[in-house]
Amino acid sequence: DAGVIQSPRHEVTEMGQEVTLRCKPISGHNSLFWYRQTMMRGLELLIYFNNNVPIDDSGMPEDRFSAKMPNASFSTLKIQPSEPRDSAVYFCASRTGGNDQPQHFGDGTRLSIL
Amino acid sequence: GESVGLHLPTLSVQEGDNSIINCAYSNSASDYFIWYKQESGKGPQFIIDIRSNMDKRQGQRVTVLLNKTVKHLSLQIAATQPGDSAVYFCAENPDGTYKYIFGTGTRLKVLA
Repeated sequence: DAGVIQSPRHEVTEMGQEVTLRCKPISGHNSLFWYRQTMMRGLELLIYFNNNVPIDDSGMPEDRFSAKMPNASFSTLKIQPSEPRDSAVYFCASRTGGNDQPQHFGDGTRLSIL
Repeated sequence: GESVGLHLPTLSVQEGDNSIINCAYSNSASDYFIWYKQESGKGPQFIIDIRSNMDKRQGQRVTVLLNKTVKHLSLQIAATQPGDSAVYFCAENPDGTYKYIFGTGTRLKVLA
């Protein structure tokens, strides 16, 4: 079975550029999460969608970050303009059912902002 | 409740031995717990979960034990193999929320 698919796997770009990260959740999953992972802070929840609707975006660092989920099989996380401190690994996770079901993670996008 | 990965505790185990990885969770209201395995360059991989109405659950070569009295979770891996080398971390899910609280990871090194 296909897991959560993220693209690109690696992104290197200069500060000020727009960055778009993509995620395809597991088919049939109704919840989608975007996380950021750094050595210093571990995994941080950025935003949570349920049935394609953003439920909690309180983890989004600032207005430079935005996320969309136009349909059940696709989500994007956009950073505009990007800054060096945005460098991290960004993970997408999806889940079916309720809060007592596990989230399944993709392999992430390693983002480096120069 | 964020995990800090800068100085991960490390557990070194001989191949074929059993491994026990521990996690102290923080919220007495947590009622669902998950163990993840993260290999270098990959995302966290779900291993096993347990609900608070259980104190033990077994999977393939893995067992999770839950002690609610002392808020402690452990992951036992039987007959540890080189492919088990990774960072393992627990996550707790407080009742009624969608947010995970991730534990500090433990790096498992399997010695040949």
